Amino acid sequence: DAKTTQPPSMDCAEGRAANLPCNHSTISGNEYVYWYRQIHSQGPQYIIHGLKNNETNEMASLIITEDRKSSTLILPHATLRDTAVYYCIVRGMSGYSTLTFGKGTMLLVSP
Amino acid sequence: GAVVSQHPSRVICKSGTSVKIECRSLDFQATTMFWYRQFPKQSLMLMATSNEGSKATYEQGVEKDKFLINHASLTLSTLTVTSAHPEDSSFYICSARAGTRRELAQETQYFGPGTRLLVL
Repeated sequence: DAKTTQPPSMDCAEGRAANLPCNHSTISGNEYVYWYRQIHSQGPQYIIHGLKNNETNEMASLIITEDRKSSTLILPHATLRDTAVYYCIVRGMSGYSTLTFGKGTMLLVSP
Repeated sequence: GAVVSQHPSRVICKSGTSVKIECRSLDFQATTMFWYRQFPKQSLMLMATSNEGSKATYEQGVEKDKFLINHASLTLSTLTVTSAHPEDSSFYICSARAGTRRELAQETQYFGPGTRLLVL
């Protein structure tokens, strides 16, 4: 599975949009981009995933560039409860493919 | 999303004893379950993958005789840390994935809340 690169930390003001970037320049055509987050001392929480089209759900939006080499997770109106480590993970199509966690981005939402 | 539970949420044990952690998928049948370990200020590391009714596949460096995994049903997997030592103290997280979609990569993997193990 392709590796990802994320900034180690980001800050965001409460109520503003949080845009978390992820670089996955070696992604192959059949690999999905998954986003999870981990609030302190909890298990990771699934947020969203996509292949090549932009995706939106009740938690966030995922914007994938046309060349698929990078993506952005958007939390439209960040709240204090969104403070967490956000992981961008590329996962292959095979049933044997697993989620490999990198260091992620620590998002701090402040009042 | 789907719910995965773990029990216990935290456990303290003496060195040399064994500890069993249960992982259950509450509202779906988990064809595959995963066990991760997370040390303080580090990311999650995959320990093993298990398919229902089959032996678990362990990642390199993980001792299969020390970390016994049983996936006897589609909703339950257990991790037993045998003869635990202080260096086994960690946050253990299970994850479950259904297997109903034709494209397994579309099958979301859900995580439990984790079990914090402290070995004295």
